[in-house]
Order: sequence, then C-alpha cells, then structure tokens
Amino acid sequence: NAGVTQTPKFQVLKTGQSMTLQCAQDMNHEYMSWYRQDPGMGLRLIHYSVGAGITDQGEVPNGYNVSRSTTEDFPLRLLSAAPSQTSVYFCASSYSREIGTGELFFGEGSRLTVL
Amino acid sequence: AQSVSQHNHHVILSEAASLELGCNYSYGGTVNLFWYVQYPGQHLQLLLKYFSGDPLVKGIKGFEAEFIKSKFSFNLRKPSVQWSDTAEYFCARRNSSNTGKLIFGQGTTLQVKP
Repeated sequence: NAGVTQTPKFQVLKTGQSMTLQCAQDMNHEYMSWYRQDPGMGLRLIHYSVGAGITDQGEVPNGYNVSRSTTEDFPLRLLSAAPSQTSVYFCASSYSREIGTGELFFGEGSRLTVL
Repeated sequence: AQSVSQHNHHVILSEAASLELGCNYSYGGTVNLFWYVQYPGQHLQLLLKYFSGDPLVKGIKGFEAEFIKSKFSFNLRKPSVQWSDTAEYFCARRNSSNTGKLIFGQGTTLQVKP
C-alpha cells in the first residue's frame, strides 16, 4: 500500500515552461487536492476534486490546471511557469465525508523552482 | 470565510520543557479539528484529531490537544519535548461545506535545543 505518490520530487523550470506534477493514490479515496506551501503562509489549496470527472478551484488556482479522469490520479499542470510559482507542492487525499473522518493523507511533496 | 489562526510562528525550547502551541478557529459549522506535524524535509503527518466527545484528545508521540468550545481554541500540548520534536506544526479545521477541504493555519516552527 503506497498511499499518496507524487512525482517528481524536485524540478527546476524556466519562466514560461509548462510541466505536470503527478499524483496517484491507491486507497480508493474520492477526495483529492493540491496544496502549495510557502514560508509563513501555511498550506493554501490550489484545486481539489470530489470524485472522478469533478474538479473545482481552491484559494490560489491561477496558473494551474487539473483533471480527474480516474479515481487514482490527479495531475497538476503548470501552464506557463512563473517565478511566483516557486514553492513546495503537496498532493493529499481523503475518504468522502460520508465514510471518512476528513483526515488528509499527504504525499511527500514536490519542490519546484522557477527561474 | 472560515479560518484558522496560529499565534506562535516560531518557538524555541530546551529539551524537557513543556510545550503549548496556540490554535484558534473561526465560528461556524461542524467543528472537526486536526494537528499535523511536518518534520524537516518530510510530508505532513497527522498528530491528532477531534471530532466529538472527550475534548481532551491524545495523539501520537505524547502530544495532546484540548478543544475549548467557548474559546474557539484547540491548543497543542506536550509535557516534555525532545530534540526529535523539532518540526513545523499545523493546525487545521475541516471546511463544513466541503467534503474534504481542510483549512490550515500559518504553521508554527518548533526548534528544540538539546
């Protein structure tokens, strides 16, 4: 049971480049989300999904795209990277409200630097 | 909008000192509260959670938290810290209108000196 798996762990991009952060979970969780962590700002929600085919915006969605074609996968796309997107990104998942306690299970994080 | 506030941004303690980290949450909806810990270079792990019942919640590694409804608080405590407790600590509440969304505080960095 791998839990939540994120790739890559580290990435350096140039301004304007695009890339995709991958996230996969094997716990059959309905809910998946992406957070970014910046010093002094805690974790801020970028996008989330309550099930396959359903996504919605969080607090800081600009510059990011997501899709949820399967229950297991929830990739985060940076369309045109900017230095302000330099951050550590965490993918997290949980059971639905009906059967779960709301506890989020986190991946190990992806450290992104945009030059 | 619902929010979580952590008062201490950076705490420095010596080993064996007692710890209390403050957390206040905004009023509204069902209150489900969490404390997460992030050790250096690692991902967030759940320390403890409160959903209902006994307001004194015990978690892993000797941590506990007390839910005080009248003060909208959920402070984290440990009677005697160790060097290995050096980490960042996040308080969070479940968004009552959304299935899985958690609202996090800004985090508190704890440095324990040996």
